[in-house]
Amino acid sequence: ETGVTQTPRHLVMGMTNKKSLKCEQHLGHNAMYWYKQSAKKPLELMFVYNFKEQTENNSVPSRFSPECPNSSHLFLHLHTLQPEDSALYLCASSLQAGGYEQYFGPGTRLTVT
Amino acid sequence: QQQVKQSPQSLIVQKGGISIINCAYENTAFDYFPWYQQFPGKGPALLIAIRPDVSEKKEGRFTISFNKSAKQFSLHIMDSQPGDSATYFCAASQSDSNYQLIWGAGTKLIIKP
Repeated sequence: ETGVTQTPRHLVMGMTNKKSLKCEQHLGHNAMYWYKQSAKKPLELMFVYNFKEQTENNSVPSRFSPECPNSSHLFLHLHTLQPEDSALYLCASSLQAGGYEQYFGPGTRLTVT
Repeated sequence: QQQVKQSPQSLIVQKGGISIINCAYENTAFDYFPWYQQFPGKGPALLIAIRPDVSEKKEGRFTISFNKSAKQFSLHIMDSQPGDSATYFCAASQSDSNYQLIWGAGTKLIIKP
């Protein structure tokens, strides 16, 4: 595997479920990001990790919980989601946070029913 | 102040024509302006980027034009090809905000054969 991979690619969950999204980067980068992409809206940065430390949390509801066990892996734990949370969730990585090209995974298409 | 306004929302261009996408910003502290290209089922990928010390940057058929006084920048795709059909995002960031990218809402470009 090369680049940034995300699993699952598609996820349908009920509002009371708990699920997790996984991101893995094979680029030797030290920064990882979670973005939310909704149709016809700008990408929304959710979380940034730099050298495994969370450096940004853009007022994301607590029903989204990130975890970064090492520089290569990033998780987004989901619980008690709302239908408006349905979107494409993108993971990205860069050499470090700040001023470096971001490499994106293909995303997880999340549908909350 | 932190918004980046992108237009048009969608664009149809004949093969061989010039595609032009525009972005405008308010924050004069922005000092990095990338363009990302996203194909269906894929994450965005960096296409070309510019810093405000130059007014134009060209890479192959893709050119960024930057107008600092008007606080606008645009992407020109010369000799547009069907393979250029994708969604294009402009973004901006400033070095003293840890280079957090502020994204435009995207332009869906269709090149007709």
